[in-house]
Amino acid sequence: EPEVTQTPSHQVTQMGQEVILRCVPISNHLYFYWYRQILGQKVEFLVSFYNNEISEKSEIFDDQFSVERPDGSNFTLKIRSTKLEDSAMYFCASSRGLPGGNSPLHFGNGTRLTVT
Amino acid sequence: AQRVTQPEKLLSVFKGAPVELKCNYSYSGSPELFWYVQYSRQRLQLLLRHISRESIKGFTADLNKGETSFHLKKPFAQEEDSAMYYCALAGANSKLTFGKGITLSVRP
Repeated sequence: EPEVTQTPSHQVTQMGQEVILRCVPISNHLYFYWYRQILGQKVEFLVSFYNNEISEKSEIFDDQFSVERPDGSNFTLKIRSTKLEDSAMYFCASSRGLPGGNSPLHFGNGTRLTVT
Repeated sequence: AQRVTQPEKLLSVFKGAPVELKCNYSYSGSPELFWYVQYSRQRLQLLLRHISRESIKGFTADLNKGETSFHLKKPFAQEEDSAMYYCALAGANSKLTFGKGITLSVRP
């Protein structure tokens, strides 16, 4: 069964540095997402992406964040100047359509970002 | 606004005991509800969705619009059911909102 893949599995960076988290969604999926989970807290929506543009974003997704689909397969999340509070597990997901019953989200294994 | 509430953080039961994981939601339109599960060191994966009215791994969940609930139930828990369970809601947009999750621990 096809899977969403994320790299790296763990990223350590210093405060103020830029970081790029990478994802390869399932190939016939059209919607792409980033979620994050701070340790001990719930999974939070960051952004959804469709047709090469952002379709929804949360209040967490401020100007420090950006997403890109640079080619036909990758979907990236960039944090321009990382802060300590950005430390979290970041999950990429994809779906064929809007996240309804016939288009469930498929998640990657996540990238654990640690900002020191 | 979309909101999902899972009031408990942990449920610990013995093998063979019934399980009910609670989920309540708030949404002004017609929501679609899901349960996702995360086994130890594995990714989040879909367990079941309300529109399918299916039973997966012995789990069922019924959408109760009057009580705005979507509780997950299993009559006889197994050790392999131990995992983190998340209730999630999809509205008319492209955002899936998760509850805080509950850890289910099934003891032998």
